[in-house]
Amino acid sequence: NAGVMQNPRHLVRRRGQEARLRCSPMKGHSHVYWYRQLPEEGLKFMVYLQKENIIDESGMPKERFSAEFPKEGPSILRIQQVVRGDSAAYFCASSLDTLDFSPQHFGDGTRLSIL
Amino acid sequence: GDSVTQMEGPVTLSEEAFLTINCTYTATGYPSLFWYVQYPGEGLQLLLKATKADDKGSNKGFEATYRKETTSFHLEKGSVQVSDSAVYFCAVFKAAGNKLTFGGGTRVLVKP
Repeated sequence: NAGVMQNPRHLVRRRGQEARLRCSPMKGHSHVYWYRQLPEEGLKFMVYLQKENIIDESGMPKERFSAEFPKEGPSILRIQQVVRGDSAAYFCASSLDTLDFSPQHFGDGTRLSIL
Repeated sequence: GDSVTQMEGPVTLSEEAFLTINCTYTATGYPSLFWYVQYPGEGLQLLLKATKADDKGSNKGFEATYRKETTSFHLEKGSVQVSDSAVYFCAVFKAAGNKLTFGGGTRVLVKP
């Protein structure tokens, strides 16, 4: 019974490159959430998606960042033209229903390092 | 907006000591409250939760009581083990918006 799968676990990029982070939610889960954790800090909400729809992107920077959750395949968090400040752990979570009815399950994260 | 304040770590304890991690929140209405635990190199795992005032959440020897009058949800464990070494996050949830707001986390280190 696979949990939330994120890949890669570690990603190294040079400044100006693109980073693509993938998240496969738990089977049957249609709600996906992305969080960013800066070193020694808590998790900050970035974006909430349901299949093919962005529901809330209030925590995601307006520029360079985008997210999608297509009808088929994993959710993707894309960061274009990465900068040093993008270095962080990015966590994906999924839920079966809205959070008042079902718990949120987290993946093990992708640790992004920018050289 | 909603916010969560946790005591800063690291908290260093000896095995079998009593653990308290303070958490206070700011939120309108009637949020649900959560504690999550993060072990090294892993994602967050739900530890316990409480959905209304005076509810007590408990799991694996940890407890926390939803205190609306003091807007607090302090985490306690009577006798910690080395395996409890982790980062603990307090969080609030409101149905409107369907997202969790986390505190900054408290690192706990238990020494044998």
